[in-house]
Amino acid sequence: KQEVTQIPAALSVPEGENLVLNCSFTDSAIYNLQWFRQDPGKGLTSLLLIQSSQREQTSGRLNASLDKSSGRSTLYIAASQPGDSATYLCAVREAAGNKLTFGGGTRVLVKP
Amino acid sequence: ETGVTQSPTHLIKTRGQQVTLRCSSQSGHNTVSWYQQALGQGPQFIFQYYREEENGRGNFPPRFSGLQFPNYSSELNVNALELDDSALYLCASSFPGTNTDTQYFGPGTRLTVL
Repeated sequence: KQEVTQIPAALSVPEGENLVLNCSFTDSAIYNLQWFRQDPGKGLTSLLLIQSSQREQTSGRLNASLDKSSGRSTLYIAASQPGDSATYLCAVREAAGNKLTFGGGTRVLVKP
Repeated sequence: ETGVTQSPTHLIKTRGQQVTLRCSSQSGHNTVSWYQQALGQGPQFIFQYYREEENGRGNFPPRFSGLQFPNYSSELNVNALELDDSALYLCASSFPGTNTDTQYFGPGTRLTVL
């Protein structure tokens, strides 16, 4: 059974500092991995999707890496801003069209 | 292109009651997945519907049931509500087989069971 873990559960940084969020999964046979952002009480916004054959994806200040063999992904957010404050969730999919298995999320606070 | 919509936004019920939540998928998407997110936790997969048929189910009891309609919109029904059913219920639509196969999430329905 796939299990996804995110450490730390919460993170507080001053504005301008780079953020590093970690995600680990127990079964390396994944189809893809996706990072989401969730604002309090809201739905999920997809940030980056990495296919199993890829090592990383970039979008603006965001960069996500994937190491399938070690069961790890890292989301980097450069030069953090107060608007980056949110909960970040990673999720893995084990087959095309299949369900997502989520981690518990990392709650990020960027202080001005 | 319209996004995923859910209704209602908030709902308060009492134990033992029944509830129906609704989801309209993104235009062109034929697959809808439902997730339950308890406070402070990640979403948990409930079930998925593909072309009006259930296509996978998570570890939820039979009192959680669903439907998908010909226009690919979907309903989640929960019978005999329990206090632990209080959560944010998210639906996501997708079109398997596309390059990204990304799931697009709706804003959720916040259910409170008293």
